[in-house]
Amino acid sequence: AQSVTQLGSHVSVSEGALVLLRCNYSSSVPPYLFWYVQYPNQGLQLLLKYTSAATLVKGINGFEAEFKKSETSFHLTKPSAHMSDAAEYFCAVTETHGSSNTGKLIFGQGTTLQVKP
Amino acid sequence: KAGVTQTPRYLIKTRGQQVTLSCSPISGHRSVSWYQQTPGQGLQFLFEYFSETQRNKGNFPGRFSGRQFSNSRSEMNVSTLELGDSALYLCASSGGTGTGELFFGEGSRLTVL
Repeated sequence: AQSVTQLGSHVSVSEGALVLLRCNYSSSVPPYLFWYVQYPNQGLQLLLKYTSAATLVKGINGFEAEFKKSETSFHLTKPSAHMSDAAEYFCAVTETHGSSNTGKLIFGQGTTLQVKP
Repeated sequence: KAGVTQTPRYLIKTRGQQVTLSCSPISGHRSVSWYQQTPGQGLQFLFEYFSETQRNKGNFPGRFSGRQFSNSRSEMNVSTLELGDSALYLCASSGGTGTGELFFGEGSRLTVL
């Protein structure tokens, strides 16, 4: 069975500093991995996705993530934080049975990013 | 292309009542999923529908039900509401790319008093 662990429920950075949000996954098959962002009182917006092409994935708003199979990680980074990046971030993996997707995403518990001026 | 639309955005109910939430997927998407989001439990999968058939179901009591219509619009119903049902209910649609990518609506925030 697939699972996702996000290390750190809260991360605080200064504006202009590096953002690093950690995600580790468990999957018995090559995974499809996602990062979503949620602003207050809104739904989830896709930041980026890994679908077995390039291991370094670039997303919207300057975010990127690197798939590392040996470490079962998919950490999200951004070189320079903006105040507008303050939000909750979710890492997710597609659930599979055998080689088929079930149509369900398994989410981590989320990481709240605070950006200090 | 219009995104996923959920109605209503906010609603308040009392214990014992029932509620119906509606979701219109992105045009052309045939899969609709529902998730419950609470501060304590995070994002929990409720169910997924594809072409009017429930394909997958999460671990929720029978009070939670859903359906999908021929135009892919979906509804979920919660009967005999409990205080613990207060949550943000998120609908998501998928275009069947095979990657499992979901496109979410803005959610329906249910408060049970």
